Amino acid sequence: EVQVLESGGGLVQPGGSLRLSCAASGFTFSNYAVNWVRQAPGKGLEWVSGISGSGNSKFYADSVKGRFTISRDNSKNTLYLQMNSLRAEDTAVYYCAKEGEVGMGSYFHYWGQGTLVTVSS
Amino acid sequence: EVVMTQSPATLSVSPGERATLSCRASQSVGSNLAWYQQKPGQAPRLLIYGASTRATGIPARFSGSGSGTEFTLTISSLQSEDFAVYYCQQYNNWPPYTFGQGTKLEIK
Repeated sequence: EVQVLESGGGLVQPGGSLRLSCAASGFTFSNYAVNWVRQAPGKGLEWVSGISGSGNSKFYADSVKGRFTISRDNSKNTLYLQMNSLRAEDTAVYYCAKEGEVGMGSYFHYWGQGTLVTVSS
Repeated sequence: EVVMTQSPATLSVSPGERATLSCRASQSVGSNLAWYQQKPGQAPRLLIYGASTRATGIPARFSGSGSGTEFTLTISSLQSEDFAVYYCQQYNNWPPYTFGQGTKLEIK
């Protein structure tokens, strides 16, 4: 059974940093791209960042470029999101989402339950 | 960036009736279109990919159609568990992957 489980969310002050993790199981992790998608309170879904199975290709939304860094450790089946210079508008539930096809550029097949990040003083 | 526009924002339908949700792309995305269902407090769940292929375990009352810029999600004979928010997403022209703003399907 495929599972992805996020952790690392919490309350952080504006300008602060936080690192999210996503532990995956039930599939060959290194074969699949994985993405971060966020949802602000009461709002829709926003893609944040994605990384290829090998980790060699990384992509970011303009809203987080230069502040967030995506990475993965295929030996640990874990995805990360390092978030720096956090702003109030980064407040959201952050979801980890595994793509559906080998390679990159497909639908988001499996989603974690999300971890809440709150940026507030 | 491909802008995805869903309509209507809210759809009120009675149980047992059919619901038709629309999604329009600002430029062609071929058939690289997915639909997700999200219930309150839960993560999104994949319903449809490739514009018309149901994901594993999704009931046959859910169907998707369309290509290019116009797409439809149809739910025949609505069940109580189908009332939720539905999002479309294109994965043809990325980054970024883009989602529609969502359609809330509510009980009439």
